[in-house]
Amino acid sequence: GAVVSQHPSWVICKSGTSVKIECRSLDFQATTMFWYRQFPKQSLMLMATSNEGSKATYEQGVEKDKFLINHASLTLSTLTVTSAHPEDSSFYICSATPGGGTLTDTQYFGPGTRLTVL
Amino acid sequence: QKEVEQNSGPLSVPEGAIASLNCTYSDRVSQSFFWYRQYSGKSPELIMSIYSNGDKEDGRFTAQLNKASQYVSLLIRDSQPSDSATYLCAANNAGNMLTFGGGTRLMVKP
Repeated sequence: GAVVSQHPSWVICKSGTSVKIECRSLDFQATTMFWYRQFPKQSLMLMATSNEGSKATYEQGVEKDKFLINHASLTLSTLTVTSAHPEDSSFYICSATPGGGTLTDTQYFGPGTRLTVL
Repeated sequence: QKEVEQNSGPLSVPEGAIASLNCTYSDRVSQSFFWYRQYSGKSPELIMSIYSNGDKEDGRFTAQLNKASQYVSLLIRDSQPSDSATYLCAANNAGNMLTFGGGTRLMVKP
């Protein structure tokens, strides 16, 4: 149980284009989903927290107009990187927490999406 | 600022030995602690969670929590080369948010 999927697993795009990444909880309803970014040899960096039906909360330094997050249902959150540039190339990972129960605070991670912007 | 500290390593142990990974945290209100394993190029995978003082065992893994010392550890018995990865310690401080340590790279040599 507690499986999180991401699509696509990797994407290459041209500078200036937008890229959408999907995060789905497959066997549970996720009250909260998180988006992280990880550069090579570095730890996870939380970008934003999203709760179903409400606006995402962005971490300091993360541009909300550039990284659009939509959490339209309890099983789906999307991250859109708008007008991507080479410096946005990174490993984007989502995680989700189930609602209710004793393990509500456990985050289960998706497999990640590797974005390369040319 | 809430922090979780880990030695970056690498921690090198021979195959079959016990690997001991340590983590300290600064926020005394932290209630839940997690160990994740991350292979190079992959996303983190949950190994164990621990909420109460003492030891929690799951197969070859034992998590230890000491809230008075603000210390969490992970022991891996009979270490295997396949255990070579970066191990992330995380603390839950408020709601569902986790604060991650920088990770410890473990190398298990055959």
